[in-house]
Order: sequence, then structure tokens, then C-alpha cells
Amino acid sequence: EDQVTQSPEALRLQEGESSSLNCSYTVSGLRGLFWYRQDPGKGPEFLFTLYSAGEEKEKERLKATLTKKESFLHITAPKPEDSATYLCAVQLTGGGNKLTFGTGTQLKVEL
Amino acid sequence: SAVISQKPSRDICQRGTSLTIQCQVDSQVTMMFWYRQQPGQSLTLIATANQGSEATYESGFVIDKFPISRPNLTFSTLTVSNMSPEDSSIYLCSARLSPGGYEQYFGPGTRLTVT
Repeated sequence: EDQVTQSPEALRLQEGESSSLNCSYTVSGLRGLFWYRQDPGKGPEFLFTLYSAGEEKEKERLKATLTKKESFLHITAPKPEDSATYLCAVQLTGGGNKLTFGTGTQLKVEL
Repeated sequence: SAVISQKPSRDICQRGTSLTIQCQVDSQVTMMFWYRQQPGQSLTLIATANQGSEATYESGFVIDKFPISRPNLTFSTLTVSNMSPEDSSIYLCSARLSPGGYEQYFGPGTRLTVT
């Protein structure tokens, strides 16, 4: 069965304390892996798409990487405004347009 | 990216009634989707809204319960029919903006509470 697992469920960081969020997947065939940010009461905001192992994407303090079994979202020197739930999702080859989401990592960055 | 809006943003409804949620995109899009996000859980795809034809539903979701319309390339509606408290959830529409990119962009969601 296709599965997407995110860890940790929750993460508390001090401002400036870099860390990584993990998204591991067990799927029959990966077309793409997506990272989203979701603030309370809002819809998910698209961050990155990764298509193949070894690919990396960066945006401000965030960097996403992909291997054959997992993806990491690295957060460098986070600020309180980076606090949010980070979701990863996969789209399967032959799976139509469906995105299968993980349950997310709730990130809290404190001063 | 496109701007995606939803109406209503929230509603409280009585069991047995129906609610129609509207989704409007500010540009023509190739594909539109409806997701559900139950309390404390992640997003689950309900259906793909097909322009000019019947929606494609995921396993566990049926047209009688969640009828969907998509009359043009910028607008779609989702109806939650004969509601029960188990339907309390956030309903989100999303859109895929271009044929070449697979990422989906989401609206702000509709928070539904059924009493």
C-alpha cells in the first residue's frame, strides 16, 4: 500500500536553530513529491516540487531534497514567522492527478 | 500562481441539510479538485472536477453524497448532502494551473460544522 509518513509530528526550535523535517514514502512509482506550508485556518501554500532523486530546491531559509525513499525539508536559521504545519504529498505514476498527503509536521519557532 | 477563493469561508449547518461550496479561480485552469481535511488529519482527495462532464470520485466518496459541478474553466461547486456530524471538516478546492506542472494550488478552505 502506498504510504507517506512525516516526522517528527511536532518540532519546537529556537530562532536561528537549524533543523530538518522528514517525509518518507513507500510508493509503487513516484511522479513527483510536493512540499506545502499550512498556517492555521488557511489552505496549504505550495513550496516545492521534486521529481527525481538528487534534486534540490531552495527558497529563502528552506531547502528541499529528494532521495529514492525520502525527502527532507531543511530549515536554516528559522524565524518565528516560519512557524506552521509543513505537509508533504506525493503523486504516483499511473495514479492520475491525486496527491496523497502525509499528516504533517507542526513547527514552532520561538524567540 | 492563481488566486483561488471559496465561499462560504465557514458555516454551521443542521444534520440532514445540504451545503454548496463555491470555488472560483482568477484564471482558466486545466484541472480542479476537492479535498477534505478532517480535524487533526491531513488532506484526502474527494474528487476531480471535470469541465463539462461528471466528476471522478475517489474510493469512499460517492456522487449522491458529494455532487460536484464544473460549468467552466474557472468555477466549481461541491455540495455536501444530507449532512451528519461526521461531515464536519474543512473542505478545500485546488487547481492545477498548467498542463506541464503537477503542483496544485489551494483555496483558503471552507470550515463546516454540522450539529
